[in-house]
Amino acid sequence: SQTIHQWPATLVQPVGSPLSLECTVEGTSNPNLYWYRQAAGRGLQLLFYSVGIGQISSEVPQNLSASRPQDRQFILSSKKLLLSDSGFYLCAWSVRTSGRGETQYFGPGTRLLVL
Amino acid sequence: AQSVAQPEDQVNVAEGNPLTVKCTYSVSGNPYLFWYVQYPNRGLQFLLKYITGDNLVKGSYGFEAEFNKSQTSFHLKKPSALVSDSALYFCAVREWGAGSYQLTFGKGTKLSVIP
Repeated sequence: SQTIHQWPATLVQPVGSPLSLECTVEGTSNPNLYWYRQAAGRGLQLLFYSVGIGQISSEVPQNLSASRPQDRQFILSSKKLLLSDSGFYLCAWSVRTSGRGETQYFGPGTRLLVL
Repeated sequence: AQSVAQPEDQVNVAEGNPLTVKCTYSVSGNPYLFWYVQYPNRGLQFLLKYITGDNLVKGSYGFEAEFNKSQTSFHLKKPSALVSDSALYFCAVREWGAGSYQLTFGKGTKLSVIP
């Protein structure tokens, strides 16, 4: 069966410091991968998605970037964190199909607090 | 553009009573519709989805949802609520044939089942 891992689970970082969050998927090949941020107000915002190694699409211009160095690895980064980067970051994967009806499956999330 | 509305921030229901969590959507064409559940400090868990076909969709943990095209709704239901159903519920939509992989989420409805 497929599993998705995220680490760290919790992170407290000072303003201006760099960030690296990692997501890996097991039990599948060639997945679509996604990064979401969930703010305190509950809503989920899609940040990036990837349909293959090195292929990254950004949905929202911001202080963050994403990379996909391996098929099942997705990394969220920042060179300098802002207070507004605080939130709950969720990684998700889906089977790559020709349609758009595939289900996205979410990881456990990383709680980021920027002080 | 696609959008989702969950008109109730919170729903309270007594244990053993039927529950309904409301969702309405807006797309230009036909929708893919999803329901997810989130427990505190956890990732989202997939409950069910509507792609095409039967308007009544059955999912995990005894939940079901009914697609109503004329009312552009996809309400989540369960015949008998359990205390363990208390969580945050998200409705999401993607339009058929949309170029983006973006899954648009509602703001979530907090369900509290009272013993």
